[in-house]
Amino acid sequence: EVQLVQSGAEVKKPGESLKISCKGSGYTFTSYWIAWVRQMPGQGPEWMGVIWPADSDTRYSPSFEGRVTFSVDKSVTTAYLHWTRLQPSDSAMYFCAMSSGSGSYTNWGQGTLVTVSS
Amino acid sequence: DIVMTQSPLSLPVTPGEPASISCRSSQSLLHSNGHNYLDWYLQKPGQSPQLLIYLGSKRASGVPDRFSGSGSGTDFTLKISRVEAEDVGVYYCMEALQGPFSFGPGTKVDIK
Repeated sequence: EVQLVQSGAEVKKPGESLKISCKGSGYTFTSYWIAWVRQMPGQGPEWMGVIWPADSDTRYSPSFEGRVTFSVDKSVTTAYLHWTRLQPSDSAMYFCAMSSGSGSYTNWGQGTLVTVSS
Repeated sequence: DIVMTQSPLSLPVTPGEPASISCRSSQSLLHSNGHNYLDWYLQKPGQSPQLLIYLGSKRASGVPDRFSGSGSGTDFTLKISRVEAEDVGVYYCMEALQGPFSFGPGTKVDIK
């Protein structure tokens, strides 16, 4: 069974760093794009970008480039989303999702809720 | 960037009746390979989005055949032939032709 399992909810202070994870299983991890999607409270999803686990090729949405970093660890079939300095506006639910390349996200993680508050 | 719009934004439905949602893109989603790069997702309350339709009209694995997608270029439609109670949630279209991919604002479907 294909699964994407994300790390648990986080509560952080402004200026802190954070890395959340998305572990893939049940499929060839290096053969599917992993996307990150933000969903702010009461809003629709926003596509943040994608990473190709085979070679870490990344494509960021201009809205998020420079503010977040995507990475993978192929040895543990896990993708990561990293912030160096969180802001309250980063408070949202973050989903990872996988695609074979046509952009259609067939499987999604359960989401990680990030709360940034002083 | 491609801008996606949807209508209606709210859709009260009666179980057993049909329902239809429209999605429009600011640029054509028709690729030179003949495919329309338009997906439909359903996000049920408290859940992650789930893929219903990809490439404009192809049902994703496990999706009931009461769901169908149609359209080409800039105008697309998702139809539910007979709504069931489990179909409530927010429906999003998403263009997958050129990054950054963008979602529509969503159509909230609930039971009358």
